[in-house]
Parts: sequence; C-alpha cells; structure tokens
Amino acid sequence: GAGVSQSPSNKVTEKGKDVELRCDPISGHTALYWYRQSLGQGLEFLIYFQGNSAPDKSGLPSDRFSAERTGGSVSTLTIQRTQQEDSAVYLCASSLAVQRAYEQYFGPGTRLTVT
Amino acid sequence: AQSVAQPEDQVNVAEGNPLTVKCTYSVSGNPYLFWYVQYPNRGLQFLLKYITGDNLVKGSYGFEAEFNKSQTSFHLKKPSALVSDSALYFCAVRDNRVGYNTDKLIFGTGTRLQVFP
Repeated sequence: GAGVSQSPSNKVTEKGKDVELRCDPISGHTALYWYRQSLGQGLEFLIYFQGNSAPDKSGLPSDRFSAERTGGSVSTLTIQRTQQEDSAVYLCASSLAVQRAYEQYFGPGTRLTVT
Repeated sequence: AQSVAQPEDQVNVAEGNPLTVKCTYSVSGNPYLFWYVQYPNRGLQFLLKYITGDNLVKGSYGFEAEFNKSQTSFHLKKPSALVSDSALYFCAVRDNRVGYNTDKLIFGTGTRLQVFP
C-alpha cells in the first residue's frame, strides 16, 4: 500500500518568508509525528498528533513553528518568518496508534533551505 | 529523562564480516527499543523492535539486535555484512509505562555504517 508522502520534496525560500510543509500519513494510522533532521544531527522531535487529543507540541523550537492536522489525516507544518537555522530535512511519520509498541513509518522528507 | 547513545559516529567493516552497531539507552521504566536505517536521500525505514520476550530480536534484511537489560544496551548485529548495508542507522527508545507522558520516540544521533568490498 501507499506509504507516508510529503510535499514538496525540496523547498528553497528566502529568509523571512513563511513556508508550509505537507504530510499525508498512511491510511488508517491515527498517530502522526513531525521531526527535524539537521545536517550531521540526529532526529529532533517537533510535534505529534493522536486522534482527537490535543497535540504534544513540546518539541517545537519557537512560536514561529506550528502544525495542524485536519480531519485526522493530512498534516501541515508551518514555519513563519523563516531563519537560516531552520534549514533542515523535515520528516513526517505515522503509526497505527500512539501505543508505544507500534513502530513509526517515515516519509521521504522535505529538504528546506533558507537563503 | 529518556536518552539514547550511539557511541560510534562511523563503523567500517569488510563485506562478509560480522557487523555490530552499538546503542545504549536510559529510561525510567522499561524500554521499547527500535532500530531504523536511512539510505541516502531517503526517509527512515523500520528494521526491528524489542517490546518484550526473547532478548534476541530478528528484523529485516538479516539484521538482529540483542536486548541486554543489565547493560542497558540494544546493539544491532548482522552475521555477514553486504556493501548494500552501507547507510545511516538510528537507535530509538520509548518508555513503556502506561499513562506516563513519554510518548515521544527518542533517537540517537546515528551511526554511519560503511561496508567495503
């Protein structure tokens, strides 16, 4: 079946502009996660959604970052007033449930470059 | 607090030789442990996980990992490495305590495996 998809695959933007990154999770997966992977770094947790529960936003680095998930499916990560340090690969993942035994399935990522 | 350590930035091994990629963890409760692999310009792919039961877990592509509670380790192993195994490997941990607000999956910084022909 179809995996997690993300768009765009690459995004180049000027400092100060806003960007939106999209994630389509695997159908039927109720949990959705966003991570950031900077060059030479591990994965940094940003936010996760589980069903209708309030999202866990504890990993968002600043109030310029926000995310929403509409209808329990597609999610959009928005970065306002982008800065050069926002340049990274943004990865989305989904899992069957938030129960901790379930593995997460990752999309190919969006490479964001802020010039 | 949860944490994962991958002490080696890079592991080099000759094709056909056994490989080990190390991972140690720290959680307050009992751990759920995962290994993921990332090929160039690709997302992460799930390899295997330890939830409970047998300490030796077998996963995709001939990989296996051994859970060692006393050493708080979960090293990834393969008996005979292939050049195509060359990639970036991530270990991750979660606390399994129900009701404890630790639903985040904490990743290590990754280990680059290079298999030489």
